[in-house]
Amino acid sequence: GNSVTQMEGPVTLSEEAFLTINCTYTATGYPSLFWYVQYPGEGLQLLLKATKADDKGSNKGFEATYRKETTSFHLEKGSVQVSDSAVYFCALSDQDGNQFYFGTGTSLTVIP
Amino acid sequence: EAEVAQSPRYKITEKSQAVAFWCDPISGHATLYWYRQILGQGPELLVQFQDESVVDDSQLPKDRFSAERLKGVDSTLKIQPAELGDSAMYLCASSPEGAGLVFFGPGTRLTVT
Repeated sequence: GNSVTQMEGPVTLSEEAFLTINCTYTATGYPSLFWYVQYPGEGLQLLLKATKADDKGSNKGFEATYRKETTSFHLEKGSVQVSDSAVYFCALSDQDGNQFYFGTGTSLTVIP
Repeated sequence: EAEVAQSPRYKITEKSQAVAFWCDPISGHATLYWYRQILGQGPELLVQFQDESVVDDSQLPKDRFSAERLKGVDSTLKIQPAELGDSAMYLCASSPEGAGLVFFGPGTRLTVT
């Protein structure tokens, strides 16, 4: 079956540090991959996505590359800000685009 | 910008009471999802609709939960009776058919006392 595994948190970084949050997946066929962000008390917002192997999704300084050979979609940012403090969820949709699977989330806190 | 609407945003209820949540998806989105998110965990799918039809409710506790989307537009999720373990965030989301992208509402935070 389809599933997503992401690194456990919480992660605490100083402002301007480099961020990596690992995500690996198990899927049949050709899934699409996503990162969602959830700020306190809010719903999930799409951060970035990639729909096929070797695609790189990017938004707000965050990047993730769809690696089929390692079944990974790690989230990176070169210099985090306090405003990036949130919970980050890796997710995949099946190749029909109708079913979604979420990881358990990684909490990030950025301190000044 | 179109958004998924949910109400109420917060609900406190006593155990054994009934509670209902409402969701209005983005106009034109055929697929509607209800997720439950327990604090510190990822969203767990409760039910998925395609238009007015249920396509997946395998994780819905049907002895106490029910969901409907009568006209294929807005949807209601009901819990009766509520239990302490139902305290969670209930997220509604919608998607254009086969788009491989889901848009979330702000959620309803339920506290059962």
